[in-house]
Amino acid sequence: SAVISQKPSRDICQRGTSLTIQCQVDSQVTMMFWYRQQPGQSLTLIATANQGSEATYESGFVIDKFPISRPNLTFSTLTVSNMSPEDSSIYLCSVEGSTNTGELFFGEGSRLTVL
Amino acid sequence: GQNIDQPTEMTATEGAIVQINCTYQTSGFNGLFWYQQHAGEAPTFLSYNVLDGLEEKGRFSSFLSRSKGYSYLLLKELQMKDSASYLCAVADNTNAGKSTFGDGTTLTVKP
Repeated sequence: SAVISQKPSRDICQRGTSLTIQCQVDSQVTMMFWYRQQPGQSLTLIATANQGSEATYESGFVIDKFPISRPNLTFSTLTVSNMSPEDSSIYLCSVEGSTNTGELFFGEGSRLTVL
Repeated sequence: GQNIDQPTEMTATEGAIVQINCTYQTSGFNGLFWYQQHAGEAPTFLSYNVLDGLEEKGRFSSFLSRSKGYSYLLLKELQMKDSASYLCAVADNTNAGKSTFGDGTTLTVKP
């Protein structure tokens, strides 16, 4: 299993501002994944963060809105830029387990409310 | 395209058995996961199926039929703490991190 720490756990933000979420893993991993979970909905993959290369974004998500850093094998950040109320969501960092099944381990999530 | 369907809500009685169904249509298939998510918490892994058949793990079992694009999660001897959302997710390539998630089934266990 992997232990994943995210911060902040929650924040209230003003429209137009940006917020950076940090994710720390207790072991080295090749890929880290950033998901969004909007209220009452399931998880949607935003991007895959690879160490040493640019993040790979899913359809509907762009680097200008969600810049990602991956400075080393245990850490990543996701920035939500120029926030609007539609960005109010839970943002989750995750990594694959080391078993053959490849299940995902998730951080506790960062609950953002944009006013 | 990717499409995963599961019921929105289910209710069951403590001590009973409940089956949560999931159907999927995805461009690729490299395994199906079930996760449990309690309100306000992160999802946690329950089960994984990549071959047809039943996988049993304690009170929880998961079934897969690849030809039918169908899976179910079976919860036995329900406990109040089983009240949670259950998410079906399909890994459509070898990277489980790119799994497509269903909207989840909210299970309420009543005394």
